[in-house]
Amino acid sequence: EIVMTQSPATLSLSPGERATLSCRASQSVGNFLAWYQQKPGQSPKLLVYGASTRPTDVPARFSGSGSGTEFTLTISSLQSEDFAVYYCQQYHDWPPLTFGGGTTVEI
Amino acid sequence: QVQLQESGPGLVKPSQALSLTCNVSGDSISHGGYYWTWIRQRPGKGLEWMGHVYNTGSTSYNPSLKSRISISVDTSENHFSLRLTSMTAADAAVYYCGRAAIPPFLDYWGQGILVTVSS
Repeated sequence: EIVMTQSPATLSLSPGERATLSCRASQSVGNFLAWYQQKPGQSPKLLVYGASTRPTDVPARFSGSGSGTEFTLTISSLQSEDFAVYYCQQYHDWPPLTFGGGTTVEI
Repeated sequence: QVQLQESGPGLVKPSQALSLTCNVSGDSISHGGYYWTWIRQRPGKGLEWMGHVYNTGSTSYNPSLKSRISISVDTSENHFSLRLTSMTAADAAVYYCGRAAIPPFLDYWGQGILVTVSS
């Protein structure tokens, strides 16, 4: 099973600041990496797939990068609605599909 | 717009089985091209992939659940279902259904259903 490790666990930032979230895989997953955003009481929402591809409804301030075992989600300028929990997920080697433990972006 | 909606009991007794259904609208399961997926989230915890089913009925499960889990599909009703046997307090969670692309990342999620395990 591929273990996904996210850091930091919590990121405390202010609106307008840049957020950098990390995700590390225990073995290479190529670019088979997705990022999700989950707000309290809501289901997760897909932000990035293929490590760097954004669905059409995701704002351009969200960007994903990386390949192999090291990945980054960057939010260029935090908006109030971006304060949430972010999860990475690998889909290179399954079953099982595996998620990271999450990073909370808080004010 | 694709929509998924979970339904089933919110309360299950220990040792009993959980049965949940996910109704799909805005897409036809029979068309293929997606994995129909169950994921759960224990209180205050992260996301756990449980398994998925393809429109043919082919399934893949998380090895940690393999002896207790069954996922089935009904293309005529455009829904798919989860059955998890021998429920314990450790299975209390919000259960989400979702649609996963091939290869599987989830592009649509249901709103989730909270399942409590208690006598």
